Amino acid sequence: DARVTQTPRHKVTEMGQEVTMRCQPILGHNTVFWYRQTMMQGLELLAYFRNRAPLDDSGMPKDRFSAEMPDATLATLKIQPSEPRDSAVYFCASGIGTVSQETQYFGPGTRLLVL
Amino acid sequence: GENVEQHPSTLSVQEGDSAVIKCTYSDSASNYFPWYKQELGKRPQLIIDIRSNVGEKKDQRIAVTLNKTAKHFSLHITETQPEDSAVYFCAASTGGRGSTLGRLYFGRGTQLTVWP
Repeated sequence: DARVTQTPRHKVTEMGQEVTMRCQPILGHNTVFWYRQTMMQGLELLAYFRNRAPLDDSGMPKDRFSAEMPDATLATLKIQPSEPRDSAVYFCASGIGTVSQETQYFGPGTRLLVL
Repeated sequence: GENVEQHPSTLSVQEGDSAVIKCTYSDSASNYFPWYKQELGKRPQLIIDIRSNVGEKKDQRIAVTLNKTAKHFSLHITETQPEDSAVYFCAASTGGRGSTLGRLYFGRGTQLTVWP
């Protein structure tokens, strides 16, 4: 049963430090999404890629967040410098767009705490 | 862009009763409507979805209905069980035609609690 994987699963860091989160989409999926989940804002889309090309990163604070797909098996989300307000669960999701398969499959998430 | 509203934010039912969660959307171009279930500390998982060319879809105890004219869709869970307790999210997609996958716009979620 193929699944999206994310590392690390938990991260505690101090304000000002760089944080890098990684995601391995399901093999063959050509679209990758990054979401942030907080109690206050719910599930927010930060950025997404299709065939490794960024399509929309308007949900991301540009001054400190960056998202990339170095290759088809790896997506990264970086925060530099991190701030306490970045504390959240970050989910990666992947999918493939066909008439019968529009599902997005979520990874287990990275729980980030910035002190 | 699309705006999805979800109600209620919390819902408590007795085991065996039915639960209904409702969502509205703003963009008439939306054509795909999934529902996700998220248990505490876990990832959101798809439980059922519906496309704009279908009015209703059922899968055992869960069903989704779609009213395109009114731009609303609902999740129905019958014979609820304690293990149905979770947060449920509705979503809508305006993109995605054929070979592409569109972004999802999520509702704020409904915390469903089923009491034994």
